[in-house]
Amino acid sequence: QAQLVQSGSELKNPGASVKLSCKTSGYTFTKYALNWVRQAPGQGLEWMGWINTNTGNPTYAQGFTGRFVFSLDTSVNTTYLQISSLKTEDTAVYYCARGDYAYSPWGQGTQVTVSS
Amino acid sequence: DIVMTQSPDSLAVSLGARATISCRSSQNVLYRSNGKNLLAWYQQKPGQPPKLLISWASTRESGVPDRFSGSGSGTDFTLTISSLQAEDVAVYYCHQYYSHPRTFGRGTKVEIK
Repeated sequence: QAQLVQSGSELKNPGASVKLSCKTSGYTFTKYALNWVRQAPGQGLEWMGWINTNTGNPTYAQGFTGRFVFSLDTSVNTTYLQISSLKTEDTAVYYCARGDYAYSPWGQGTQVTVSS
Repeated sequence: DIVMTQSPDSLAVSLGARATISCRSSQNVLYRSNGKNLLAWYQQKPGQPPKLLISWASTRESGVPDRFSGSGSGTDFTLTISSLQAEDVAVYYCHQYYSHPRTFGRGTKVEIK
C-alpha cells in the first residue's frame, strides 16, 4: 500500500532556510509524479508544483519560483522541498501528494512556522 | 489558469439528509479524446491531510462509502452526500487536473444542523 511520510514540524526565524522531506514506500517511486501543496492557516489548498520522478525535472506554480526548490533522492524514494529566505507568510502546512492526475495518497503534512 | 468556484462556502445539514456541493470550472475540463472529466473531489477533516474521494468526476475511490457520488461534465460538477453521517463533517475540495497549474476550489465546509 502506497504511503508518504513527511518530516516533522519546523520553527524557523525569518530569513532562514528549511528543507522538508517526503519519503515514499509501497510502490515504484518512478511511476508517479510527486506534488507539493501548501495550506496556510485556516485557508484552502494551493498547488505549489510537481516533480517528475523519472527525470527529476521540477515545475513550479506562479508564486513559488525563486525561493522554492523541489528535489529527489531516488536511492531512498524521497522528495524534498527546500524553502529559502523564509518569510512569516510562509507559515503553513506543506503536503506532498502522489499523482499525475488526482492525488492519492497524501503525506500527513509538515507544519512550518516562521516567527521571530 | 482554470479557476474553480465552489458553492456554498458552508452548509449545515441534518443527519441522514442530503448534502450537495457545486463546483464550476472557468474552462472545460472534459478531455474529448477519452470522454473523461479531469476533476477530483477531496475530503479534509480537521488536522488531517486531504483524502481523495472521487476522481474523473464520478469514479469513487476504493473504500469510499457509496453515499458519496460525483456528477457533472464540462464545467459544472456536483458532489452529493446522499445521507449525511456524523463522520462526514469536513471540508470538501474540488480539483482540476486538466491543465497546469493544477487548481483547487476554495472548499465547502459541511456541518451537522
